[in-house]
Order: sequence, then C-alpha cells, then structure tokens
Amino acid sequence: DTEVTQTPKHLVMGMTNKKSLKCEQHMGHRAMYWYKQKAKKPPELMFVYSYEKLSINESVPSRFSPECPNSSLLNLHLHALQPEDSALYLCASSSVTGVWTEAFFGQGTRLTVV
Amino acid sequence: GENVEQHPSTLSVQEGDSAVIKCTYSDSASNYFPWYKQELGKRPQLIIDIRSNVGEKKDQRIAVTLNKTAKHFSLHITETQPEDSAVYFCAAPSNAGGTSYGKLTFGQGTILTVHP
Repeated sequence: DTEVTQTPKHLVMGMTNKKSLKCEQHMGHRAMYWYKQKAKKPPELMFVYSYEKLSINESVPSRFSPECPNSSLLNLHLHALQPEDSALYLCASSSVTGVWTEAFFGQGTRLTVV
Repeated sequence: GENVEQHPSTLSVQEGDSAVIKCTYSDSASNYFPWYKQELGKRPQLIIDIRSNVGEKKDQRIAVTLNKTAKHFSLHITETQPEDSAVYFCAAPSNAGGTSYGKLTFGQGTILTVHP
C-alpha cells in the first residue's frame, strides 16, 4: 500500500466554522507533513511531524492546528479561517532513514473559505 | 534556508521532441533532488530523484543530471508524449545536513505542454 489518503476531498466552510482535515497512511512512515498549495503555485510546507511529535512549524497562524494522534494519522484542525486560506491542502509522508527518500502525497483537500 | 529557482515557467513542445527543465539551488549541504509531476487536479507524484553522490540518473525517457559545483540540476524528457503534459516541480531539502526528512523547498514549477 503506497497510498496517502486524505478526507474530505472538498470542503467549504464559513469563517466562523471549525472543521478538520484528515490524513492516513499505512506505509510505516514516521515523518508526516502538511503542505498548502495555491493555484499555479508550488506546495508550501506548513508542518512536519516525526515520530508523532511536531518538529517543524513554518510560522503558520494559530487558526491552523495540527495533530498526530498515532503513527498512521495526521489531522489539521481549522478554526476562524480567512478567505485567503482557500487552497489545496496536501498531506505527505516519508520514511525516516539515513537518507532522504520519496515523499508520498495524498490527493489533497480542496478548501474553500466563504 | 534553501532557495530553489526553476526555469522555464512554461514549455511547449511537439510530440517526439525533447524537453529540458533547469533548477538551481542555494544550500550546498542539499543532497537530495526530487522531481515531481502534477497533473491538473491531482497530487504531486515523484518521477525521478537524484542524490548528491551521483551525477546522472536515467529511467526510460526521463533523466536527471546534477552539477554540485554549479548547484544546478536538470530534468530531461526525451520522445515527449501528450500524456507528459503537466506541471513539473523540482525540489531540494532545506537544512539537509544530518537529517533525512523535513522541509522540501519547491521550485516555482514548469507547465509543460506537449502538442500532438
């Protein structure tokens, strides 16, 4: 199984809503990532978890709250978002070994904030 | 941190022609250089990668070359086909020294169009 699965595929939320994005992988990867991708732009890193602990936070606003409840799951909790937060949110995972290896991406959640 | 520049931003070729996309990076400690292909509405998928101890790597019609001295690497696609049409991103790790995971910095992307 070389899949990273994200749910939901699409999400529309109001600026006062609270919602969560979910990501799951069963490849035994111990590094998991959240990226944000705007249209016609490259993915931009938001957070990195390694061994279920937050290791990188790219100065992301607190209205985005990541959570890694176990080695297979990664969540992104959303609260009080702004319209400019509308984007494709990509989850990825990679193994933690002695060398850099492929990061596998999920198909993304397309988020629209209204 | 790492800075990755990618050129050209758009590339249009006829089917059967070759396509070359170039990237430069700034962090001399970077040691891993992946190329991702992203079709419209889909996830980025790795098509080839190269490590800093190798100068060239090939996989069928795709090849990547790396010049560590000049800090640039290139993607070469031969005998292009319409299904090669997509956005291609190069990437390099930030703060690669001593780690094997973490932040990948992506280039701005190249929109490749292959005309039948």
